[in-house]
Amino acid sequence: QSALTQPASVSGSPGQSITISCTGTSSDVGGYSYVSWYQQHPGKAPKLMIYDVIQRPSGVSNRFSGSKSGNTASLTISGLQAEDEADYYCKSYTSSSRWVFGGGTKVTVL
Amino acid sequence: EVQLVESGGGLIQPGGSLRLSCVASGFTVSSNYMSWVRQAPGKGLEWVSVIYKGGNTYYADPVKGRFTISRDNPKNTLYLQINGLRAEDTAIYYCARGQPQTYYFDYWGQGTLVTVSS
Repeated sequence: QSALTQPASVSGSPGQSITISCTGTSSDVGGYSYVSWYQQHPGKAPKLMIYDVIQRPSGVSNRFSGSKSGNTASLTISGLQAEDEADYYCKSYTSSSRWVFGGGTKVTVL
Repeated sequence: EVQLVESGGGLIQPGGSLRLSCVASGFTVSSNYMSWVRQAPGKGLEWVSVIYKGGNTYYADPVKGRFTISRDNPKNTLYLQINGLRAEDTAIYYCARGQPQTYYFDYWGQGTLVTVSS
């Protein structure tokens, strides 16, 4: 099972919107509505930000939103803030009852 | 309050064995599915293994045959037995919870560091 493909880095100025893509195959991202996104600050455990492609857990800012088209899922952060600077990982359930993560994207707030 | 606390990491020589533990509180391990996820220094997250509510277990290809996931219901604890350690197994190992009929990890531990070196 190969890792999902994410851009290594994305940057934006405060207040701007950025989008992180996550590309897989029909055996993972494209085959299920079970993509989730995790935020990880340095030295910290990952935190769930989006699940089931578009759902947001309680307590997560509505500036975070998810979508999917075909084999590619996306995470959009609108109204970028300094606290959003972190690494972001997508994850998908797969046809073999396993899980696969993306390689991670470092978000920089300029 | 849901909490996951990992332990058992350390410095181990190549070829050695280790058992990681993840003590859960605030919920019942056997009523959920539990996973191990690792992160090599400066690298991304890598899914390692899962044990489902019914007891089925699955492993990522790089660890299949060397790692064994299990749980102790009375102790409400998840384990990861790691044999034949290799340098590339050096990582922080996190345990994470997934609730039944969901497909995401809603709680994570703080991780335990495993370093494989001679």
